[in-house]
This record gives sequence, C-alpha cells and structure tokens, in this order.
Amino acid sequence: EDKVVQSPLSLVVHEGDTVTLNCSYEVTNFRSLLWYKQEKKAPTFLFMLTSSGIEKKSGRLSSILDKKELFSILNITATQTGDSAVYLCAVEVGSNYKLTFGKGTLLTVNP
Amino acid sequence: ETGVTQSPTHLIKTRGQQVTLRCSSQSGHNTVSWYQQALGQGPQFIFQYYREEENGRGNFPPRFSGLQFPNYSSELNVNALELDDSALYLCASSQGEAKNIQYFGAGTRLSVL
Repeated sequence: EDKVVQSPLSLVVHEGDTVTLNCSYEVTNFRSLLWYKQEKKAPTFLFMLTSSGIEKKSGRLSSILDKKELFSILNITATQTGDSAVYLCAVEVGSNYKLTFGKGTLLTVNP
Repeated sequence: ETGVTQSPTHLIKTRGQQVTLRCSSQSGHNTVSWYQQALGQGPQFIFQYYREEENGRGNFPPRFSGLQFPNYSSELNVNALELDDSALYLCASSQGEAKNIQYFGAGTRLSVL
C-alpha cells in the first residue's frame, strides 16, 4: 500500500524563525511529489518536484526531493503569521495521476 | 480565468440519505478528481474523471459514484450515507500535459447525523 508520512504533525514557532517540514514516502510507480498549503479549505499548490537534488524556490519557500532516500523537505525562512496553515505533501502515483497525501503538518506562527 | 468552484459549501444529511455534490473545473481543464478529507487527515483519493470516463478509483465502496459532463464539470453522488461519510469533499481539476498539478476547490463540508 502506498504511504506518505509527514513530520512533525504540528509545529509552533515565532515570527522570523526558519522551519523545515519533512515528507517521506513509500509508493509504487512514483511520478512526482507535490506540496500544498491548506489554510481553511482549498489546498493551494506550492511546488511540484520530479528530479532529485534540484531545489524549487518561491520567495521564502523552497523545497527539494531526494529520490534515493525517498523524502522531500519544505523550508520556510523568516516565517510570518500568514504562513500559519496545514502543509500537505502528496505523491503522484501511477498513470492516472492519483495523488496520495500525507496527514499534513500544522504550522502555527506566533507574532 | 475562473478557479475550481464547488457547491454547496455545507450540507447536513441524515444516515441512509443520498447526496449529490457538484464541481465546476477550472477553465480549460478536462480532468476532475474527487477527494475525501476527514478531520485531521490528508485528502484521500475517491476517483478521477477524464473526458467523461472514470479514469481510476481509490478504496471507496460502489455507493460513491460520479459523473463528468461534456463541459467537464462533475458530480459526486453518495448513496446510503453513513456517519463516517462526514468529511470535507474536495474537487480538483487539471489539464493536458500538466495533469499532475491539480488545482483544488474550497470543498463541500458534509455532516451526516
């Protein structure tokens, strides 16, 4: 059975801190790994990673994939209260682009 | 360009009833996937529709069924509702060569009493 595990499940930091969120996976027929941010309801797309070792960056957020060790990390530098959300990691599996999600990491950024 | 829209936003049903949830895909997207997200969990894949045909299904019983229409909008139907069906139901659309980037709607919160 395909499995995606995120850690930690929750994290509380102060504004300005840097955080690292982890995602490990065990799946058959890996195609890509995606990160989403879920603030209230709709998960919003952050990154898609398909190749090992190539960092994707958007502002203060960055992510990298290690296909040998089967994990990805999402880094957020200089955190702001607006970064408070659940961060979801999903792995695309198989030919029908099915996404298998982890449980998410609840990030709380206090002022 | 309009995003993915879902209706209704909230719904309360009783056990044994049937429910239909609706999703309009993002403009130009021909693939729709449905997910169930229980409280404190990640979304779980229900099924996907591509050009009006089911294109993959997760571990959900047959009482979960769907449709996709020629304009690529979609419906999720659930029969014989159970208490455990209470969840946020998310619809996601994707398109063409970037099928794997799925864009989500805000979901329908279903409560089964």
